[in-house]
Amino acid sequence: NAGVTQTPKFQVLKTGQSMTLQCAQDMNHEYMSWYRQDPGMGLRLIHYSVGAGITDQGEVPNGYNVSRSTTEDFPLRLLSAAPSQTSVYFCASSRHRDPSYEQYFGPGTRLTVT
Amino acid sequence: AQSVTQLDSHVSVSEGTPVLLRCNYSSSYSPSLFWYVQHPNKGLQLLLKYTSAATLVKGINGFEAEFKKSETSFHLTKPSAHMSDAAEYFCVVSAPSNSGYALNFGKGTSLLVTP
Repeated sequence: NAGVTQTPKFQVLKTGQSMTLQCAQDMNHEYMSWYRQDPGMGLRLIHYSVGAGITDQGEVPNGYNVSRSTTEDFPLRLLSAAPSQTSVYFCASSRHRDPSYEQYFGPGTRLTVT
Repeated sequence: AQSVTQLDSHVSVSEGTPVLLRCNYSSSYSPSLFWYVQHPNKGLQLLLKYTSAATLVKGINGFEAEFKKSETSFHLTKPSAHMSDAAEYFCVVSAPSNSGYALNFGKGTSLLVTP
């Protein structure tokens, strides 16, 4: 199993550009989520999905869109990049939304917006 | 409402000495508690979790944590630090919320291990 994969590993965008961060998992997990990690802030939840076709907002959803057309994939779209979105983005998956189940994290995407 | 506070942003220990990373939580419900580790430029990995079973939880790589409800604490310990333990550690609390289950991450503790 590859686990949770994310692409790209690094990305530099100009203000106003859009892009999609890719996330895929091959463990047939029901629950997937996106976090951003900023220095001294821990991880903050952006969006999550409890299954194909079902998504919901997390703590910091503004400026981001998600969709879940398949169990495996959960892309994160930045609509119009802003410097405040400079961060490291982690995708995670879990067998169930119940957090007693372990979350598996991808290696992260480091995004810089200039 | 729930929250988690990691009491130290940086901890430095010598190799072979004990490690203590402190975490306090607040929750309106009986929480699940986790410790995750993040090595440089890597994703997060689960170290251990507490989900209302035994209060002393053993994890990977010799780490353990004790859930103390009276002190609302879930401190992470290891008897003898190894150089490979140098990493960022996150305490996480979860509990039911209006939108399902909410995971709250602490701000992290950076562990430095010196020779």
